[in-house]
Amino acid sequence: AQSVTQPDIHITVSEGASLELRCNYSYGATPYLFWYVQSPGQGLQLLLKYFSGDTLVQGIKGFEAEFKRSQSSFNLRKPSVHWSDAAEYFCAVGRTGANNLFFGTGTRLTVIP
Amino acid sequence: EAQVTQNPRYLITVTGKKLTVTCSQNMNHEYMSWYRQDPGLGLRQIYYSMNVEVTDKGDVPEGYKVSRKEKRNFPLILESPSPNQTSLYFCASSFLGRGDTEAFFGQGTRLTVV
Repeated sequence: AQSVTQPDIHITVSEGASLELRCNYSYGATPYLFWYVQSPGQGLQLLLKYFSGDTLVQGIKGFEAEFKRSQSSFNLRKPSVHWSDAAEYFCAVGRTGANNLFFGTGTRLTVIP
Repeated sequence: EAQVTQNPRYLITVTGKKLTVTCSQNMNHEYMSWYRQDPGLGLRQIYYSMNVEVTDKGDVPEGYKVSRKEKRNFPLILESPSPNQTSLYFCASSFLGRGDTEAFFGQGTRLTVV
């Protein structure tokens, strides 16, 4: 059975500091992997996705993620966090390509001045 | 503008009173789905549809119904709501069978059942 683990429920970083959000997955086939962001009171916005090819993928808002098959991980990174990045972040596996998403439990990011 | 539209955005209802949350997309997507979001549990899929008249259960389908009579619409029906269905609901749509695609989400419907 598939699973997506985001081990950090809540992370606090200072503005300008680097960020890494962890995501580990378990899935039988080659996974389609996604990171979504949810700002307070908003819907979900896609940050980036991995289907195949280059294991380092670039997304919007300066985010990137690296797919590591050997570690079953797809961690999200940003070199310098802005106050507007405060939100909840979800990692997801696409069980049928981009469809039929299975989400992790989310990581809430707080950014302090 | 490409979008997924849910209505209503907020709803308070009483136990047992049937309700429908509507979802409409304007991107000609074949695939549509419903999720519920609960604190500490992330988003869980309720039902999905791969095309008109084709629907199937997701991970948490109990207490919900759906229909897909038109490609653009995918309403979520709670025939007898209970307090444990108090949640934030999201509708999503995407193309089916395309490797490089993504799911688009509505703004969410916050449902409270008292």
